[in-house]
Amino acid sequence: KQEVTQIPAALSVPEGENLVLNCSFTDSAIYNLQWFRQDPGKGLTSLLLIQSSQREQTSGRLNASLDKSSGRSTLYIAASQPGDSATYLCAVRPSSGGYQKVTFGTGTKLQVIP
Amino acid sequence: KAGVTQTPRYLIKTRGQQVTLSCSPISGHRSVSWYQQTPGQGLQFLFEYFSETQRNKGNFPGRFSGRQFSNSRSEMNVSTLELGDSALYLCASSRRYPDGSYNSPLHFGNGTRLTVT
Repeated sequence: KQEVTQIPAALSVPEGENLVLNCSFTDSAIYNLQWFRQDPGKGLTSLLLIQSSQREQTSGRLNASLDKSSGRSTLYIAASQPGDSATYLCAVRPSSGGYQKVTFGTGTKLQVIP
Repeated sequence: KAGVTQTPRYLIKTRGQQVTLSCSPISGHRSVSWYQQTPGQGLQFLFEYFSETQRNKGNFPGRFSGRQFSNSRSEMNVSTLELGDSALYLCASSRRYPDGSYNSPLHFGNGTRLTVT
């Protein structure tokens, strides 16, 4: 059974700081890994999707890396801004074929202080 | 291009009642999955539909059911509501091939906030 862990559960940083969010998973047989942000009371907004064959993906100030062998992914946020304050979740889709469910981490709640 | 649309945004029901939530996926997306989100349990998978057939189901009691229509719109139903069913219910859509492989990210709607009193 896939387990996905995100540490720390909460993070508070001053504006402008570069930061790294972590996502660990127990089963390396994955199809892809997706990072989301969630604002309070809202749905999830897709940030980056990394296929199992890729090592990293970049979008603007965001960079996500994937190391399947160690069961880890990191989301790097450069020059953080107050608008980045949200909960960040990672989700892993297994590669076992068929219709397998996506497993979500419990999230990291980020606060960027002006 | 319109995103995933969930209706209604908010619902207040009493114990024992039943409720139906609706989800319209992004145009062209035939896979629709449902999730329950609570502060204590996080995001939990309910079920996934593709081509009007339920393809996978999470560990929820039979009171939770769903269906998908020919236009890919989906509904989920919860019967005999309990206080513990209070949660944010999220729907996600994605594009996938008939062989089960995916070629798009999951896209979520803004959810339906269900409160059971």
